Amino acid sequence: GAVVSQHPSRVICKSGTSVKIECRSLDFQATTMFWYRQFPKQSLMLMATSNEGSKATYEQGVEKDKFLINHASLTLSTLTVTSAHPEDSSFYICSATPMGRLDTEAFFGQGTRLTVV
Amino acid sequence: QKEVEQDPGPLSVPEGAIVSLNCTYSNSAFQYFMWYRQYSRKGPELLMYTYSSGNKEDGRFTAQVDKSSKYISLFIRDSQPSDSATYLCAMKTGGYSTLTFGKGTMLLVSP
Repeated sequence: GAVVSQHPSRVICKSGTSVKIECRSLDFQATTMFWYRQFPKQSLMLMATSNEGSKATYEQGVEKDKFLINHASLTLSTLTVTSAHPEDSSFYICSATPMGRLDTEAFFGQGTRLTVV
Repeated sequence: QKEVEQDPGPLSVPEGAIVSLNCTYSNSAFQYFMWYRQYSRKGPELLMYTYSSGNKEDGRFTAQVDKSSKYISLFIRDSQPSDSATYLCAMKTGGYSTLTFGKGTMLLVSP
């Protein structure tokens, strides 16, 4: 299956600092990538849809100024958590679908566990 | 009522057992149904992908969709300890729509 690589897998940062998470599709191009957040024993909650070359679409309740998304190329989307606070500690996961095949399954990255201290 | 309901478990079974995992949903517009397996602290991995109603089999895994009852199932035959993970159901209304996930069921297969 297609490979989506997410980096870092784990990060600890101080409160008030910013953290960048990268999501790369390694063997396909993706005009659309998705960012999810998952709390322990909870489902994946869609945060935003990242569109290559245009602004991301955020889900209701997600602060776009806090969670900055950049999709600068067909293989890379980044999520920056700005001015992180302990309540932002969570598991962040990206997914991507091969370009032109949005009707197929989504492939997920390994996830990034963010801990804000 | 949430769009997708899934019992979080945990579901504990002995090795070799047949496992049945289920989700119910309320949105009759869902047409695409998926099952993902997620190991602890890892991203979800696609197991099965079905469109509309019916059965689909892949090795030890069988996915069933009953749209009339708004009920989907994943069966695992001859379960192995390596099957121990959280299983997430996911669905979407159209090919280009976003996924809606269940909470996930934690499965524990003991040797």
